[in-house]
Amino acid sequence: DAKTTQPPSMDCAEGRAANLPCNHSTISGNEYVYWYRQIHSQGPQYIIHGLKNNETNEMASLIITEDRKSSTLILPHATLRDTAVYYCIVIRGANNLFFGTGTRLTVIP
Amino acid sequence: GAVVSQHPSWVICKSGTSVKIECRSLDFQATTMFWYRQFPKQSLMLMATSNEGSKATYEQGVEKDKFLINHASLTLSTLTVTSAHPEDSSFYICSAATGTSGTYEQYFGPGTRLTVT
Repeated sequence: DAKTTQPPSMDCAEGRAANLPCNHSTISGNEYVYWYRQIHSQGPQYIIHGLKNNETNEMASLIITEDRKSSTLILPHATLRDTAVYYCIVIRGANNLFFGTGTRLTVIP
Repeated sequence: GAVVSQHPSWVICKSGTSVKIECRSLDFQATTMFWYRQFPKQSLMLMATSNEGSKATYEQGVEKDKFLINHASLTLSTLTVTSAHPEDSSFYICSAATGTSGTYEQYFGPGTRLTVT
């Protein structure tokens, strides 16, 4: 499974859009991009996933570049409850999820 | 939907005793369940993968005789930490997977904090 690179931390003002980047330059054609987040002392929460098209759900949007080597998770209106560590993971099928160090997002009032 | 529970949420035990942690998928059948461990300020590390009715597959460096995994049904998996020691103190998290290969989703439990004294 391809590895990912994320910035270690980011701040975002409450109410503004949070854009979290992820590089996955070694991604292969059948690998999906998944995003999870972990709020302190809780289990990870699934956010969204995609293969090559952009995706949107009630939590976030996922923008994947045409070459699929990077993606951006967008939280359109960040709230204080969105403060968490966000993990970008690239996987094929039902294999283990490799949780890297993720991005610690802090939403500032 | 897709709720995974863990019990207990926290446990304190004495060194040398065994502790059992339960993981249940409440509203779906999970073909595969995973067990992770997370030390303070570190990321999650996969310990083992289990499919219902078969033996678990352990990651390198994880002692299968120390961390016993039983996956008796499509909604229940248990992790037993045998002869626990203080270095086993950690946050243990399970997840349950559903869906077909390539587009499945893992749903995580809330975690169990184990403290071995």
